[in-house]
Amino acid sequence: QVQLVQSAAEVEKPGASVRVSCKASGYTFTSHGISWVRQAPGQGLEWMGWISSYNGNTKNAQKFQGRLTMTTDTSTSTAYMELRSLRSDDTAVYYCARELGVGNSIDIWGQGTLVTVSS
Amino acid sequence: DIQMTQSPSSLSASVGDRVTITCRANQGINSYLAWFQQKPGKAPKSLIHGASSLQSGVPSKFIGSGYGRDFTLTISSLQPEDFATYYCQQYNSYPWTFGQGTRLEIK
Repeated sequence: QVQLVQSAAEVEKPGASVRVSCKASGYTFTSHGISWVRQAPGQGLEWMGWISSYNGNTKNAQKFQGRLTMTTDTSTSTAYMELRSLRSDDTAVYYCARELGVGNSIDIWGQGTLVTVSS
Repeated sequence: DIQMTQSPSSLSASVGDRVTITCRANQGINSYLAWFQQKPGKAPKSLIHGASSLQSGVPSKFIGSGYGRDFTLTISSLQPEDFATYYCQQYNSYPWTFGQGTRLEIK
């Protein structure tokens, strides 16, 4: 079945970087883009960015400009999200999510990865 | 950025009830509107895309409607598993944006 399996929880210090992986299975990886969405404790959902699994094109929210890098490895059907210069307010559950189709919304979500930023 | 506003922020209802959640965009988004359900400690689940099209496997008790700026999600015959938080999201233009969520609680 179609699924996205994310990497385990991380604890990082302020100023550090974190990389979260998202391994896809059950479908042709390059046919669907991947979005990254985060959720701070007790808060709502926040879209971070999107990457085309076909050609690597990206779009991201302005607030993450310069700190966020999204990549894919088509040989392993894995997407990666790296966030740099971490702050305490980056503490959140980070989700990867599959794009239903080109220009379409999300259909499948990963299970989430908790990233805790603490000194 | 397009701002999405949901109402109400919270809602109490009983098993068997029908409820409606509203989502409004501050500019037109055609039909590029999705709805998600999230239960505590779980990843969101996709319910509806294109304002009214059910995602695969989602029961027909979930009905989405609307176009342009105003959208609704109606859930009929509420069951215990339907009590959750619901989010709308626009994907008409980047950055994609979510509503703040509507928490549906058991009365």
